[in-house]
Amino acid sequence: NAGVTQTPKFRVLKTGQSMTLLCAQDMNHEYMYWYRQDPGMGLRLIHYSVGEGTTAKGEVPDGYNVSRLKKQNFLLGLESAAPSQTSVYFCASMIRVGGNQPQHFGDGTRLSIL
Amino acid sequence: GDSVTQMEGPVTLSEEAFLTINCTYTATGYPSLFWYVQYPGEGLQLLLKATKADDKGSNKGFEATYRKETTSFHLEKGSVQVSDSAVYFCALNSGGSNYKLTFGKGTLLTVNP
Repeated sequence: NAGVTQTPKFRVLKTGQSMTLLCAQDMNHEYMYWYRQDPGMGLRLIHYSVGEGTTAKGEVPDGYNVSRLKKQNFLLGLESAAPSQTSVYFCASMIRVGGNQPQHFGDGTRLSIL
Repeated sequence: GDSVTQMEGPVTLSEEAFLTINCTYTATGYPSLFWYVQYPGEGLQLLLKATKADDKGSNKGFEATYRKETTSFHLEKGSVQVSDSAVYFCALNSGGSNYKLTFGKGTLLTVNP
């Protein structure tokens, strides 16, 4: 049972380069989320999706784009990477039923922008 | 808006010591409350949850009680182990149509043998 899988696990980019982070879940969850984790800041929501074909902005969406073409996948794109986007990125998913369900997290992608 | 405030770390304890990590919240309505744990190099794992006032969540010797009157959800463990060393996050979900979690900033716990 894989749960939530993120690829890649590590990546180093140069300023201005683009890349896509992939999140895949095998639990048939409706909701998916992208967070970034920075020291002393906790987790901050970048974008989220409440179902296939839908996306919405979170707390810190600037500089990122997302797509949810398939229910099981949620992609996070950086069009022109900046050093301020150096962070650890986490994907999470959640079943649709009720607000008392937990979110399930992947192991993260550690991204450095030089 | 919703917010979660948890005690700042780092917290350093000796093995078998008692642990308390304070968490207070501000939310509209009746949120569900969660504690997540993050071990080094890993993602967040749900540790325990409580969905209504006076509920007690428990798991792996950890406990937390949903106190609506004090808007608190403090994490406790009677006897910590070295393996409990991790970052602990308090979080709430106030419901609505998107079920977003609001996280505290995390508390680093180090347990020494």
